[in-house]
Amino acid sequence: GQNIDQPTEMTATEGAIVQINCTYQTSGFNGLFWYQQHAGEAPTFLSYNVLDGLEEKGRFSSFLSRSKGYSYLLLKELQMKDSASYLCAVRVSGGYNKLIFGAGTRLAVHP
Amino acid sequence: GAGVSQSPRYKVTKRGQDVALRCDPISGHVSLYWYRQALGQGPEFLTYFNYEAQQDKSGLPNDRFSAERPEGSISTLTIQRTEQRDSAMYRCASSLETVNTEAFFGQGTRLTVV
Repeated sequence: GQNIDQPTEMTATEGAIVQINCTYQTSGFNGLFWYQQHAGEAPTFLSYNVLDGLEEKGRFSSFLSRSKGYSYLLLKELQMKDSASYLCAVRVSGGYNKLIFGAGTRLAVHP
Repeated sequence: GAGVSQSPRYKVTKRGQDVALRCDPISGHVSLYWYRQALGQGPEFLTYFNYEAQQDKSGLPNDRFSAERPEGSISTLTIQRTEQRDSAMYRCASSLETVNTEAFFGQGTRLTVV
């Protein structure tokens, strides 16, 4: 089966750092994606990891450990506009975007 | 176009009616995907096209669901004899190439079956 777990909700303070974890058990693995989704909007791409290690992109970083089936998304210098759902997704196909998504983590940033 | 465009944005239909949902991908994008998203959940894969060829339809729930992309650009997802359980947000996504590029999602069509 396919299973992707991430916390349902998190809260954090403006200016702080937050780490959103994701664990996965899937029948195949060809990369892990993080998407951001504001309420009522489409998911937008944040990051992609296919090899172990940390990928940094401005205020956002994503880490992958394939042997542990684990990833995290790190958000630094939090802003109010970062309040959104964060979706972890595993590409299980051979190159095309057949993605298995987690249910998402709803992040609330407060002043 | 600038982004993935879907129409209609909202569709209310009576149980038993057929519906057709349209997706216009980003210009030049080879790959097109249909996903379905329930409230509070992540998107669920339905089907994938590479140009006009439907190469994976493993996520279509049953034979009432079908999709086509006849000229390798615009795609239509059709649901026949709709049921209340079909109510969901239907999202289209496209990506530039087949291999190892991210998918860009559209705003979706909110389908409500009454």
